Order: sequence, then C-alpha cells, then structure tokens
Amino acid sequence: GQQVMQIPQYQHVQEGEDFTTYCNSSTTLSNIQWYKQRPGGHPVFLIQLVKSGEVKKQKRLTFQFGEAKKNSSLHITATQTTDVGTYFCAGGMDSNYQLIWGAGTKLIIKP
Amino acid sequence: EAEVAQSPRYKITEKSQAVAFWCDPISGHATLYWYRQILGQGPELLVQFQDESVVDDSQLPKDRFSAERLKGVDSTLKIQPAELGDSAMYLCASSLNGAGAPETQYFGPGTRLLVL
Repeated sequence: GQQVMQIPQYQHVQEGEDFTTYCNSSTTLSNIQWYKQRPGGHPVFLIQLVKSGEVKKQKRLTFQFGEAKKNSSLHITATQTTDVGTYFCAGGMDSNYQLIWGAGTKLIIKP
Repeated sequence: EAEVAQSPRYKITEKSQAVAFWCDPISGHATLYWYRQILGQGPELLVQFQDESVVDDSQLPKDRFSAERLKGVDSTLKIQPAELGDSAMYLCASSLNGAGAPETQYFGPGTRLLVL
C-alpha cells in the first residue's frame, strides 16, 4: 500500500545545533503537510507544500518539497528548547484526498 | 480561537468492557476524522466522515469498533469489547471541506485509553 517513510526516528541534538527530518513516499504526492506534536499533546499543523520544488520558511524552520513530489524535508536551524517534540509529515494522495502519515521524528535536546 | 473538543481526556477500563469517546469538531467543518495513535507512532486513520456519511472506514476493526455522526456535527467512537491492544491515544480531527485536495486538519486534545 501507499506509505510515507520518515527518518530518523529520533534525533538528539545540543541546543543551538541544527535538526533535519526527511520523508519519502513510494508514490507521487499531491501535497505534503507537516505537523508538530509536543510531548503529551496533539498534532498541530505547521505548513503545507503543494508545488514541485517548493521551499517555504517559518523563522528558523525550512520546509522543502522535492522536484518529483515524492520527498520532503524539514530543517530547523539553531534548535531551541521550545522546538522539542515529534515532527510528522503527512502526504496527500490525489486518489483519495487522504493523508498518509509518517511515523514521526522525535527531536530531543541534550541537557 | 475555535478548537476541536474531545471527552473524556483519559479513560481506564477493563478488557471486555465497552468504552465510548466523544468529539465536537470546529463549527462549520464538514469533515471529521478519528485516528488512533500508539505511543511512538504516527496517527492511523480509523474512520473519516463527510457530514454524516462515512467516507472511509477501511481501517476500522468493525467487529468491535463503531463510529457515528448522526447529525453531521459531533461524533462518537465506541469500542465493545475493549481489548488490551486497544490502549492508545484516540485523536479526533476536523477539516473545513474534505472534498478536494487534502486539507489542514485540526486536532483535538485526544482521549488516552488504558485497557487493563
């Protein structure tokens, strides 16, 4: 079936270091959405990418959508403690307008 | 700011008992989703409603799970009988329309279920 693979599962960084998570789909996506889930919380929408090769920025967060619309990445520059949580990508499918969720990447700030 | 409401926030039950979760989506949102999220994993779609109609329930274990949205507004998800493997977070989400390209989904706080 349709899958969205997300890596890594965990990433430990020192505060101030960068963080990147990657998503890869087995099929072409209509769009990709990114969500953040704080510990004990629920997923909160961050951004949606629709166009091939699209790049969007939100302050220290940079989101990219691949040229083939099969992969995406989220890069956080100079992480802060407020960035802690799990970041999920969710790919939209033209065939059924549903979202296929990645397993998430948990960002952990080393003390 | 409008939010998705869910209750209860926490539920502890014994296996073989019945449990029910309630969700009230953001006013005006036609599409409602029930997800199950096991710790350390991404949300798994159980059922999707467009107004009062089920759009997709292919991943809903229909022998024990049921969901309804009778008036196309709030929704109830029921498990009967509960099994140990049902312990998870049950998330409700809503989106404005759902007919067309996948939309932003707004999540409620979830119901954390523990089956003993």
